[in-house]
Amino acid sequence: EVQLVESGGGLVQPGGSLRLSCAASGFTFRTRWMHWARQSPGTGLVWVSHINGDGSNTDYADSVKGRFTISRDNAMNTVYLQLNSLRADDTAVYYCARGGGGGSGWLVDFWGQGTLVTVSS
Amino acid sequence: QTVVTQEPSLTVSPGGTVTVTCASSTGPVTSGSHPNWFQQKAGQAPRALIYDTSNKHPWTPARFSGSLLGGKAALTLSGVQPEDEAEYYCLLYYGGAWVFGGGTKLTVL
Repeated sequence: EVQLVESGGGLVQPGGSLRLSCAASGFTFRTRWMHWARQSPGTGLVWVSHINGDGSNTDYADSVKGRFTISRDNAMNTVYLQLNSLRADDTAVYYCARGGGGGSGWLVDFWGQGTLVTVSS
Repeated sequence: QTVVTQEPSLTVSPGGTVTVTCASSTGPVTSGSHPNWFQQKAGQAPRALIYDTSNKHPWTPARFSGSLLGGKAALTLSGVQPEDEAEYYCLLYYGGAWVFGGGTKLTVL
């Protein structure tokens, strides 16, 4: 059974930093792209970033470029999102999701339950 | 800045058929945009329905289908059930980044 469990959210002051983690299980982690997306209260989903299986390829939404960094540890089956220079509009539930790879097609299929990041003084 | 546009809201009667569309500000949506569709109910994580325009996941009910229609990606629900009331999102690929549509709130009434 595929499982994705996010952690690391919490309350942080503007300008602060936070590192989110997503622990994966139930599939061959190193073969799959992994994504982060977010959803501010009462609003829609926003794609944030993705990383390929060996960590050599990453992309970011313009709104987080230069402030957020995605990485992964395939030995730990974990993907990370480092959030720096946080602003109030970064307040959201952050989800990790499994992407494609290994011939599975261009997809995003399984999602975690999310971790809440609140940026406030 | 790429914008992906969906109908903000749609209403359908139980047993009816409804189509949600997904348009791109950069031009026609093609198979190269690898459209994905998701359903999200209040307080829950998104659930994947369709990938690569028209492919269903093993758990996707048969009444959901995906296609390209008039330069847009489309999600059609045939024989709508009350439990289909939810928010629906498309996701398009732009050669390095993905962009979600703004979401469509589907009401079954």
